[in-house]
Amino acid sequence: EIVMTQSPATLSVSPGERATLSCRASQSVSSNLAWYQQKPGQAPRLLIYGASTRATGIPARFSGSGSGTEFTLTISSLQSEDFAVYYCQQYNNWLTWTFGQGTKVEIK
Amino acid sequence: QVQLVQSGAEVKKPGASVKVSCKASGYTFTSYDINWVRQATGQGLEWMGWMNPNSGNTGYAQKFQGRVTMTRNTSISTAYMELSSLRSEDTAVYYCARVGNSGDYWGQGTLVTVSS
Repeated sequence: EIVMTQSPATLSVSPGERATLSCRASQSVSSNLAWYQQKPGQAPRLLIYGASTRATGIPARFSGSGSGTEFTLTISSLQSEDFAVYYCQQYNNWLTWTFGQGTKVEIK
Repeated sequence: QVQLVQSGAEVKKPGASVKVSCKASGYTFTSYDINWVRQATGQGLEWMGWMNPNSGNTGYAQKFQGRVTMTRNTSISTAYMELSSLRSEDTAVYYCARVGNSGDYWGQGTLVTVSS
C-alpha cells in the first residue's frame, strides 16, 4: 500500500503571503496526484489533478508541481477563503486512492 | 446540474450493519465511477472503495475487505455502501463522490454513529 505523507501538519501564514505544502509518496505514483481543499463542515473540493492541472474553476493562485514521489502545492497569495485543510491524494487511474493526513493552513 | 444526495444520519449498535445511499442526478449515472470516502470527527479522509455503476464492478480498500459492499440500482440512479460488523471506530461522516479529470462532485455526507 502506498503511504502519503504531508508536511507540515500546520502552516501559519499571513494573508497575501505564499504558502508551500509538501506531499511525499512511499513509492512512485508518477503524476497520479491530486490536491483537495476542505473547509469545516464541507466536503472536500478538488483543486489539482495530474500533479499540476487545475480543476475547473480553481483560481490561478493555486499551482501544483512534482512527479514520482515528491509533490508541492503552492498558493501564491493567500486569500481569506484559502484558510482550510489541504489533502494530497494518489490515485491509480482513479481506481485506488490514498490520502495524506492533511495540512492545516491557518491565519498567522 | 450534477448532484449526489445521500441518505440521512444513522445510529447503530456495535456489530450491526449500515447501508448508506447516494442518489445521482444531472448526468448519466452509469458513465462515472462512484467512490466512498469517510471521515471521523477531526480526522483525515479515508478512502473505502469504488464502484462502476455500469458493470457493477467494485474495488475496495484492503482495510475494508470483507466488511464493505458497494452496489447500485441503475433504474433509480442510486449507489449504496453497506458496512457490516460495525464498531465504535466506524463512527464517521461517509461521503459518496464522483471524481475524475472532468471534476469532482460530492454528496453532502452521512453521519453514522456507532454506540451501544
